[in-house]
Order: sequence, then structure tokens, then C-alpha cells
Amino acid sequence: DAGITQSPRHKVTETGTPVTLRCHQTENHRYMYWYRQDPGHGLRLIHYSYGVKDTDKGEVSDGYSVSRSKTEDFLLTLESATSSQTSVYFCAIGELNTEAFFGQGTRLTVV
Amino acid sequence: DQQVKQNSPSLSVQEGRISILNCDYTNSMFDYFLWYKKYPAEGPTFLISISSIKDKNEDGRFTVFLNKSAKHLSLHIVPSQPGDSAVYFCAASASGGTSYGKLTFGQGTILTVHP
Repeated sequence: DAGITQSPRHKVTETGTPVTLRCHQTENHRYMYWYRQDPGHGLRLIHYSYGVKDTDKGEVSDGYSVSRSKTEDFLLTLESATSSQTSVYFCAIGELNTEAFFGQGTRLTVV
Repeated sequence: DQQVKQNSPSLSVQEGRISILNCDYTNSMFDYFLWYKKYPAEGPTFLISISSIKDKNEDGRFTVFLNKSAKHLSLHIVPSQPGDSAVYFCAASASGGTSYGKLTFGQGTILTVHP
């Protein structure tokens, strides 16, 4: 276990409601990533962070925002959840040009 | 814009034979490449990586080859075992340019190893 925890592990929410997913690390890694996994699309980067309060967009960032106020926590927020955001979300931690370690994933269903 | 592509959705091989998984990339700024393995209901786990200054890296049964001129990498598994059955993702990162710090993945290839 690489010291990374995602919460919650499962969530069902209604369309239009805000949702926040949390990624917590105990490894003091500089980089943190949020991905979503969907059939046929692999792992697509939503947002990533390269330090406290330093974040940037990935390839599928629309409808998502992130915050990193502490090294150990990276939050992913869906401001108004839509059915197209039903997915499995993975957080990863690491350093530049080394392997990244993944959490166990959060299965989100928007109904 | 899919910068990392795995064009084979699935691969089926016999136990003991070689498995070859392929990956292509388009961003010439990528300088570090990785392979991950994923079982259902689990997070991806790191397998092997290679820097752009090398063209080959081995770790036990796993070997990754990098052809920079073709922007192509491959993962060889020899010999393949039934426990290798999983989804394999290739990934790439850049230490410069607009992709700095991003870790970009392909779509994945489902490997099935038959006993």
C-alpha cells in the first residue's frame, strides 16, 4: 500500500447535486492526479496538482474543479453532477518521471 | 486529442507463450514511459518503466522496448501466465513543454492468458 486513500469508495447521487471526492496521501508526494476510467476510454486525466495550490487541467476537466490546500489532500468537486459523470474515479500520487501510485478508486453513480 | 494510443483492445495468448502489447504516442515531448496492470475493482499497479534515453528495460518476465523515431513502445511478457490476465495500460509523461508533469494514459489492452 503506497499510503493513498480515496473516500468515499462508493457514492450514489442525484443529478444536479454537488459532489466532492477526497484523495489523501501519507507519502508527501508532490504530484497528485485525478482520473476517470470509462469503458473504451482507458484512464483520462481530469486535473492534476504539482504542489499546494498549484493545479492544472487534464484532458476532461469540464464540469470538475479541484483544490489542494495541503500537501496530503487533493479534492475533486463536481459542482452539479450529471449522468455523464457516472464513472470510476482514481487518484494517483507520485513525483515527476517516476511511477505513480494509485488509490483503490471511487465508484460514482449519478441518477 | 489522444496523445497515447493502444490500438488493440484485447489480446489472447496461450500460457507459456509471449505476450506483446503495443502503444503509440504522438507528443514528442514525452520522455518517460510506464506500463501499468489493472485487475477488476482495483487501482492500477505499476509494472515497468523506461526513460527516453534508453531503448530497452527488463524486469524479470517483463521487458519494455522504446522506439523513439517511431514513437512506439511495447511490453513483452515471457513466459505468459494465467495470472497475467488483466488490463494493461501504457502511460507517458513529459519533463518539459505544455505537458509538463501530466501523466497521460492509453485506452488499455485486455490480456487473456489461457491455461
